[in-house]
Amino acid sequence: QIQLVQSGPVVKKPGASVQVSCKASDYSFTTYNVNWVRQAPGQGLEWMGWISPYNGATRYAQQFQGRVTMTTDASTSTAYMELRSLRSDDTALYFCARGVYFDYWGQGTLVTVSS
Amino acid sequence: EIVMTQSPATLSVSPGERATLSCRASQSVGTDLAWYQQKPGQAPRLLIYGASTRATGFPARFSGFGSGTEFTLTISGLQSEDFAVYYCQQYSNWPPLTFGQGTKVEIK
Repeated sequence: QIQLVQSGPVVKKPGASVQVSCKASDYSFTTYNVNWVRQAPGQGLEWMGWISPYNGATRYAQQFQGRVTMTTDASTSTAYMELRSLRSDDTALYFCARGVYFDYWGQGTLVTVSS
Repeated sequence: EIVMTQSPATLSVSPGERATLSCRASQSVGTDLAWYQQKPGQAPRLLIYGASTRATGFPARFSGFGSGTEFTLTISGLQSEDFAVYYCQQYSNWPPLTFGQGTKVEIK
């Protein structure tokens, strides 16, 4: 069945960078956009941006411009999200999700930013 | 940016009763509106898309209605497994794709 499987939890220090991966299976990877959505502890959902695995086009939310890079590797059906210059308020659960409305989600990756 | 506003923030409902959740968009999104259900420790799950089309796996007691700027999600005859947080999301005018802040449906 269709799955998005994300990399495991990580702990980073302020100022560092983190990369989260999202491996897709059982569908044509280049057919659907991959989005990244984060959720801070006890908070709501925040869209970070989108990438087209078909042509690599990206759209980022304004608040992450300059700090985030989204990429894909079609040979392994994997999407990546790198967030740089981490701050304590970047501590959150990071999800990948497919499409424009999100019919499939990864399980989430907890990124903890702490000194 | 289209701002999505959900109300109420928390809804206390007894099992078997009806719950009505509201979502308002700051400008028209047509019917490009989705609803998600999220339970503790889980990823959100697509519940409704196109404002009124139920996603696979959700029973008919869930129904979505609306267009333009006003939307509702109704859960008829609440079951124990329906107590969760519900988010609306517009995909009409983006970036950014935007979510409401969520409505928690809790047991009364």
